[in-house]
Amino acid sequence: AQSVAQPEDQVNVAEGNPLTVKCTYSVSGNPYLFWYVQYPNRGLQFLLKYITGDNLVKGSYGFEAEFNKSQTSFHLKKPSALVSDSALYFCAVRDRSNDMRFGAGTRLTVKP
Amino acid sequence: DVKVTQSSRYLVKRTGEKVFLECVQDMDHENMFWYRQDPGLGLRLIYFSYDVKMKEKGDIPEGYSVSREKKERFSLILESASTNQTSMYLCASSTWGGVNTEAFFGQGTRLTVV
Repeated sequence: AQSVAQPEDQVNVAEGNPLTVKCTYSVSGNPYLFWYVQYPNRGLQFLLKYITGDNLVKGSYGFEAEFNKSQTSFHLKKPSALVSDSALYFCAVRDRSNDMRFGAGTRLTVKP
Repeated sequence: DVKVTQSSRYLVKRTGEKVFLECVQDMDHENMFWYRQDPGLGLRLIYFSYDVKMKEKGDIPEGYSVSREKKERFSLILESASTNQTSMYLCASSTWGGVNTEAFFGQGTRLTVV
């Protein structure tokens, strides 16, 4: 079955600095990869997805993610972090099946 | 906008009670999912459904059942609630387009079993 790993429980960055939230995946076929964000006491909101094509995917709120097939990674990035980006971020993967598997989540804290 | 609505934000139930968590989506999505979210464990798939009356077990189905009598509604049932089922429960839906479609989530139900 497909799976994802988010190796960092917590990422801290200063406002204005670039941020990266890491994700690696494991699937038997072609990967379909997603990033979601969760603000306190809320459900998950979709940020972006990789299906095929360009390895750099752009999404909501200035976020982007880079798909790297050789490293089986799909890291989330933003050139300049905002305090309001502080939240819990989840990477998710699908292969050919309809179910979606999530990572354990990474808590991003952006300090002023 | 897609709307996925969970019937309760917070629930407190007693051990041994039968508990129903309800989820309704308004976008005619074929797929619906139930996850539980626990700190350090992320989201774990309990059950999903790809059509009315169809269901598939996820990673942690033990102690749960589901019902999908209508396309827009997917219910999660805790047959006999236990304290280890205290958690945040998230419902989601997506179109049949399948692997390349994102899921849309409800706001979550925080269940406490005492």
